[in-house]
Amino acid sequence: DAGVIQSPRHEVTEMGQEVTLRCKPISGHNSLFWYRQTMMRGLELLIYFNNNVPIDDSGMPEDRFSAKMPNASFSTLKIQPSEPRDSAVYFCASSLAGLSSYEQYFGPGTRLTVT
Amino acid sequence: SQQGEEDPQALSIQEGENATMNCSYKTSINNLQWYRQNSGRGLVHLILIRSNEREKHSGRLRVTLDTSKKSSSLLITASRAADTASYFCVHLTSGSRLTFGEGTQLTVNP
Repeated sequence: DAGVIQSPRHEVTEMGQEVTLRCKPISGHNSLFWYRQTMMRGLELLIYFNNNVPIDDSGMPEDRFSAKMPNASFSTLKIQPSEPRDSAVYFCASSLAGLSSYEQYFGPGTRLTVT
Repeated sequence: SQQGEEDPQALSIQEGENATMNCSYKTSINNLQWYRQNSGRGLVHLILIRSNEREKHSGRLRVTLDTSKKSSSLLITASRAADTASYFCVHLTSGSRLTFGEGTQLTVNP
């Protein structure tokens, strides 16, 4: 298995632009997680899905952020409009089931820079 | 203070030495997990210990859990330069929030 796949690996955009991050979880995993990591705030859970349904989105910072999971093999995290403070590394992870019952497999991350 | 708090924040040792990192938490847990993150990479799961377990081994890793003290420790024996990374503990807080600590930055000098 190729593991969790994220694209793009790097994204540089100007403030105000829309940014879409993509994630393909490991086949057979039914839980998917989006995280954001910065030096200031560490690693934060933004949202997680179980069986394609958003279970907890309380970590999503504001309405500019939205996430979708149209099917079991694909998820997107969208920021519109983007701001410089959104600059961070965004990780996607998947697991067999549940929030902490099983280990999570992380993707390589997308490094987002908003200028 | 932040839950899943690792201690120390940074640790520098020589290759071959043992490294011990600690993690404290405040709520009851079902399990606690340790992850490693190499610079610029995603996190890699190391080990999961359930609340009814006191100790678990995986290769050179040894994890202990003391639910009465709400703490866990990760021991890496015979460290190698390749063990240089950040190490995080994570558990579910009350209210089902998954929280990672700030991590311990381990540097193993060759």
